[in-house]
This record gives sequence, C-alpha cells and structure tokens, in this order.
Amino acid sequence: DTGVSQDPRHKITKRGQNVTFRCDPISEHNRLYWYRQTLGQGPEFLTYFQNEAQLEKSRLLSDRFSAERPKGSFSTLEIQRTEQGDSAMYLCASSATGSLSTDTQYFGPGTRLTVL
Amino acid sequence: QQPVQSPQAVILREGEDAVINCSSSKALYSVHWYRQKHGEAPVFLMILLKGGEQKGHEKISASFNEKKQQSSLYLTASQLSYSGTYFCGTKTGTASKLTFGTGTRLQVTL
Repeated sequence: DTGVSQDPRHKITKRGQNVTFRCDPISEHNRLYWYRQTLGQGPEFLTYFQNEAQLEKSRLLSDRFSAERPKGSFSTLEIQRTEQGDSAMYLCASSATGSLSTDTQYFGPGTRLTVL
Repeated sequence: QQPVQSPQAVILREGEDAVINCSSSKALYSVHWYRQKHGEAPVFLMILLKGGEQKGHEKISASFNEKKQQSSLYLTASQLSYSGTYFCGTKTGTASKLTFGTGTRLQVTL
C-alpha cells in the first residue's frame, strides 16, 4: 500500500485562475478529508467525505471552493477565481471506519498552492 | 476554538526528555498526536481515546486527562529525528474532523 497521494505537489497560478487538486486515499479507506495549512499553523479542516457523500463542510470554505468524490475513491478540490489569500498547503487525509477502527487519519504529502 | 499547546517551542540536547501539553476548552472524545517536519505532511504518532489507557511505544508515550481535557506527549531520551513540529488534533465527539492545536516546535541538537 502506497499511502495517500496528491497531485500536483506544487501549483503556481495567477490571481483569478481556477485550480484543481487531486487526492487518492489509501485503498481500503472510506473517509477522505481536506485540510488547509498556512505557514506556522496547524491544519484547518475544510471538508470530508464518507464514500461519495460529502458529510461536512467548514464555514471557511467559501463558494469558490468545491470538492467531489464521485465514486467514493479519489477526490478533487477545485478553487475558482483564486485569490492571494488562498496560498497555502492543501492536505488530504484518509481513514477507515468500522468496529475495530479508531478512525485514524493518515495524511498525504500535500499540494502547495502559490497565487501570484 | 483550537486546542492550546505548550510550550510553543523547545530546544533539547540529544538524550534529554520533553513534555508537550495540549489543552482544550471543550470536552474531548479523542486526542491524536502528529509530528510534522518542514515541508512534509503530518505523520501520525498515536491516538488516545476517552476512557482508554495511556498509549506509547519505546520512547514516545502520551496520556489523556479527561477531567481536565488535557493530553500530554512524553518524549524520552530524545533523538535528532524527533525534531519537528508536534500537533495535537482533537475530536469533541464521534464527528470525524480533527481540530488541530497551535503546535509545538521541537529542535533536538547534538
């Protein structure tokens, strides 16, 4: 098992452009999370899915942000009309639920977004 | 509100011990500890569940005081590889999201 993967690892874009990130969770994990992390801070929760259902969205997530997990496997996070304040590391994590599971979240390497 | 960690930063010589604390103003269901090195993803260390026992392996262990809504991470005989920023992530119920603390930067020197 290769763990959580994210693509791209780095993205530089101009203000006003749209960007899309992809996350592939650990294969048997049914929950997938998106967090955002800025320099010197801990990760901030954005949204999470259980299978293909988006169960919670943070109030931090403006209308410019949308996430999908169409078949309950990989997920995409899209930011429309990017702003300089969107510059951050976007982290994806996954976990498994079940009677023997502690719902431990394992993180991917992240996508670093820079908005010029 | 996010949990508060203390100290904010600590510098150790190799072989010394350290304690990192995580305090929440809300009743906690579980506490998850992570270590993050610069430019890398957070790496899971351990989880403490409400009503569970103190967890640990080798030189890193942790405790969870449910009455005080506090958790402590104990690093003994620190190694250079322990350097990084430590975050506690908390859950206040069975809801899935983690709320991360303010972070503790740990540097181990020779």
